[in-house]
Amino acid sequence: QKEVEQNSGPLSVPEGAIASLNCTYSDRGSQSFFWYRQYSGKSPELIMFIYSNGDKEDGRFTAQLNKASQYVSLLIRDSQPSDSATYLCAFFSGGYQKVTFGIGTKLQVIP
Amino acid sequence: EAGVVQSPRYKIIEKKQPVAFWCNPISGHNTLYWYLQNLGQGPELLIRYENEEAVDDSQLPKDRFSAERLKGVDSTLKIQPAELGDSAVYLCASSLGERNEQYFGPGTRLTVT
Repeated sequence: QKEVEQNSGPLSVPEGAIASLNCTYSDRGSQSFFWYRQYSGKSPELIMFIYSNGDKEDGRFTAQLNKASQYVSLLIRDSQPSDSATYLCAFFSGGYQKVTFGIGTKLQVIP
Repeated sequence: EAGVVQSPRYKIIEKKQPVAFWCNPISGHNTLYWYLQNLGQGPELLIRYENEEAVDDSQLPKDRFSAERLKGVDSTLKIQPAELGDSAVYLCASSLGERNEQYFGPGTRLTVT
């Protein structure tokens, strides 16, 4: 079983819609969860982090964490073409003391 | 506040040649990471430093890769000799303390011919 599972996409949504990106992880000792945005040819950019169960909102972005289901998601409201990028989820394992990244989901926002 | 600085941004070398990458982390960040990223994949950790100490180098191919972080600030990653399969983007990241919110530099794109 992979440590983190992400659908590579592409996920296509129309402009103005809600984009929903999902990630599951296998390590129950995971403590911190991150979402990075990576534009083509650029390095990953941290956009959200969440440590507790529930929702965390920042502007158009909402991160959702469910530790019981080992599931983390990112919602992007009012999606814009500029949101088109690859979104990487990552988690920090206290047991292994390291951050593990998923392969990323490619999001395409269609004007 | 300046971000993570890396150089060079691009490097093309022939196989069997040596190559070195340099990273300067965000000021005050005690933890520094080197990652390798292949196309279509997430970053994969090569080595993590806490100040001057390499606390996780389990994924570093030590027969050809080496790294150092003198004085606990900037760091150098070296490959000698380079192989065709080393072609990738090498990313440096830094974080403050134990929350592990990592901030990445622009990366070095290495092409080995």
